[in-house]
Amino acid sequence: AQSVTQLGSHVSVSEGALVLLRCNYSSSVPPYLFWYVQYPNQGLQLLLKYTTGATLVKGINGFEAEFKKSETSFHLTKPSAHMSDAAEYFCAVSFNFGNEKLTFGTGTRLTIIP
Amino acid sequence: ETGVTQSPTHLIKTRGQQVTLRCSSQSGHNTVSWYQQALGQGPQFIFQYYREEENGRGNFPPRFSGLQFPNYSSELNVNALELDDSALYLCASSFGSSGNTIYFGEGSWLTVV
Repeated sequence: AQSVTQLGSHVSVSEGALVLLRCNYSSSVPPYLFWYVQYPNQGLQLLLKYTTGATLVKGINGFEAEFKKSETSFHLTKPSAHMSDAAEYFCAVSFNFGNEKLTFGTGTRLTIIP
Repeated sequence: ETGVTQSPTHLIKTRGQQVTLRCSSQSGHNTVSWYQQALGQGPQFIFQYYREEENGRGNFPPRFSGLQFPNYSSELNVNALELDDSALYLCASSFGSSGNTIYFGEGSWLTVV
């Protein structure tokens, strides 16, 4: 069965510092990969996704992620953290062609230190 | 604003009762999925409906059931509520095949006491 592992349930970075949120997946077939953000008491918002093609994916709010097949990773980065980035971030994977059933990681709570 | 609306936003039920949660998909979307997000956890896939037919189910018991209507709105029904059913229930809609963007609603918070 497919799975997603997010390393670090809590990450704290200073405002202006690099944000790095880690995600690894297990799969025997090429996956579709996603990062979602969840602000308090809200639903999930798509940050970016990888389906096929270029392995470096750019998303909203200055985030990007790189699909590395050899490392089975899809880490999320942002060069300079902003206070508004404080939220819960979920990595998700889909392996089923023709549908969109997502398997989510357990999430990483990002705190920004002023 | 994703165009996916859910109701009610919050509700409290007693153990053993039944609950119905509703979702209005984004216009034109023919696929709807439901997820359960327990406190401090990632969302877990309950089931998906495509053109009014169930199109896959996660590891949830039969007391979790659903419907999708001709206008592609959807319901999630949970019978014989248990305390562990307390969670945020998320509806997500999309159109067609894999890779298309999935839009989530803001969820329905269910508390079972």
